[in-house]
Amino acid sequence: AQSVTQPDIHITVSEGASLELRCNYSYGATPYLFWYVQSPGQGLQLLLKYFSGDTLVQGIKGFEAEFKRSQSSFNLRKPSVHWSDAAEYFCAVGAINQAGTALIFGKGTTLSVSS
Amino acid sequence: GAVVSQHPSRVICKSGTSVKIECRSLDFQATTMFWYRQFPKQSLMLMATSNEGSKATYEQGVEKDKFLINHASLTLSTLTVTSAHPEDSSFYICSADNYGYTFGSGTRLTVV
Repeated sequence: AQSVTQPDIHITVSEGASLELRCNYSYGATPYLFWYVQSPGQGLQLLLKYFSGDTLVQGIKGFEAEFKRSQSSFNLRKPSVHWSDAAEYFCAVGAINQAGTALIFGKGTTLSVSS
Repeated sequence: GAVVSQHPSRVICKSGTSVKIECRSLDFQATTMFWYRQFPKQSLMLMATSNEGSKATYEQGVEKDKFLINHASLTLSTLTVTSAHPEDSSFYICSADNYGYTFGSGTRLTVV
């Protein structure tokens, strides 16, 4: 069965420190992978996505993610965290077909930023 | 970029009444839209796939008679929560697929 695991429920990092959020997926075919960010009470904002090609994907707000097929991982990274990055982060996997794309989400990781 | 508009952002309704939530693709046509539900502090769960001009496809465990979905045009899908009860209180969010996987801003439903 398709699934996404985000092992870290809550992470706290100091402002200016680097960040890595982990994501592992289980998917039978070539996965299409996504990272979204959600602020409290808000919708989802797409940070980046991977369909194919270069396994290091650059996104918005200085985020990047690396697809590692051998590890079934798609970890999100940022070299220097800002206080405004505090939010909920969701990793998701999906497949493109004629009907569109429904995503399977991980349970999310809450990021807190300390000063 | 692609924009998905969802309305209303918040709604409070009395138990037993029905509530309609709209999801619009503003700058692209969406033959397929998706409806998700998110409980507090939890992840998003797919409820149904909305297909323009045909019946929606519901995920296992989702009551199709309670959550009515209509996708009457290429830019609009609606989710109607019928005979709402407090346990239907949740955050509902739609997405449209133009290969951008764009989500609406969500609707917070509170049933009192």
